[in-house]
Parts: sequence; structure tokens; C-alpha cells
Amino acid sequence: NAGVTQTPKFRVLKTGQSMTLLCAQDMNHEYMYWYRQDPGMGLRLIHYSVGEGTTAKGEVPDGYNVSRLKKQNFLLGLESAAPSQTSVYFCATRRDGTGELFFGEGSRLTVL
Amino acid sequence: AQRVTQPEKLLSVFKGAPVELKCNYSYSGSPELFWYVQYSRQRLQLLLRHISRESIKGFTADLNKGETSFHLKKPFAQEEDSAMYYCALNNAGNMLTFGGGTRLMVKP
Repeated sequence: NAGVTQTPKFRVLKTGQSMTLLCAQDMNHEYMYWYRQDPGMGLRLIHYSVGEGTTAKGEVPDGYNVSRLKKQNFLLGLESAAPSQTSVYFCATRRDGTGELFFGEGSRLTVL
Repeated sequence: AQRVTQPEKLLSVFKGAPVELKCNYSYSGSPELFWYVQYSRQRLQLLLRHISRESIKGFTADLNKGETSFHLKKPFAQEEDSAMYYCALNNAGNMLTFGGGTRLMVKP
């Protein structure tokens, strides 16, 4: 089992470009999350999903969109990238009934 | 609103010394707290949770509701403990809130 897989792992964008990060899981978990990790600020929740077809805003949703068309996939989109979105992005799933999260390896995004 | 604070960004100790990574939280309900760890070039992973009251890799953490703290402790630090540690709070809803993280460096 791969667990949680994120693609791409690295990406460099120019300001104003768009891109999509893909998170795929094979654990059949209902809950999926997108976090960003910035030095000194820890992990901040961008958006999350409690099941197929549902999404909700987290702590820092502005500038991002998400979709959960299939249970196993959770996509994070940047419509018009800004330098402030330079960060490491982590996808996570949550074991049902617990607070335990399972993380992907992270995707490092640089916006020039 | 819930909040998790880790006051130290960096903690440096010598091998064999005791370690305490501090975590304070604010939450109006009954909290569920966790410690996550990220070793170099590895994924973020669960270290321990307060409900299970377990000791993992020699680490323990006790929930102190009076002081709203969940400090992580180990009596004798090892070099392989060097990592980034995050305290996290589950609000019994759908979201896990993380602290800012503490980087632990264990020197030989």
C-alpha cells in the first residue's frame, strides 16, 4: 500500500500561473486535508473534505480551491499563484473515529 | 477558538540530557491532544496521543488541564531524537490544529 501520495513533489511557478496538486490515498479514509508548512508557523489548514463530493474551508483558504470528486483523490488548485504561496504543502488523511493523520511526503512549491 | 502554542522554535540539548518540549493550548471543550514528529527526509507521523497514555521511543506526555499544557518529555535524549516536533489539538470536529513546531537538536 502506498498510503498517501502527492504529485508533483517539486514545482516552480511564475506569479500568476495556475497549477494543481494531487493527493491520492489507498486507505479508504473519508477525511482528507491540505496543509501548508511555513517556518515558525507550523502546519496551517487550507481546506479539508469529510467525504466524496464535500469540501470545507480551513484556516487559510484564500487563493486556493479544492475538489473531491472521488473518495481517493483530493485536489488542491492555485488559480493565480502568488509569491506568498511559496511553501511546502502536505496532504493528509484521517483514520475514521480518531485524530490520527497520515501524511504524504509533501510538495515543495516555489512561486517567483 | 482553539489555539496551540509551542513557545520554543529550537531546543538544543546534549545526548543523555533530559528533554522537555512545551505545548500549551486553548480550547473551551474537552481536548484531544497529540504529538507528531518529522524526522529528516521522512513523513510527518504520529508520535503519541494523550488518550492512550503510552510511552513511545521513551517519550511521554501528560495532559494537564489546569495548566492547559501537554508537554513532551524524555529523560535521556538520543541523537536519533533530533527532529521537528508538532503538538496538535483535535477539536472533536473535523479539524486538527497544529502548533508552530519545535526543532529538537541532540548534540553528541
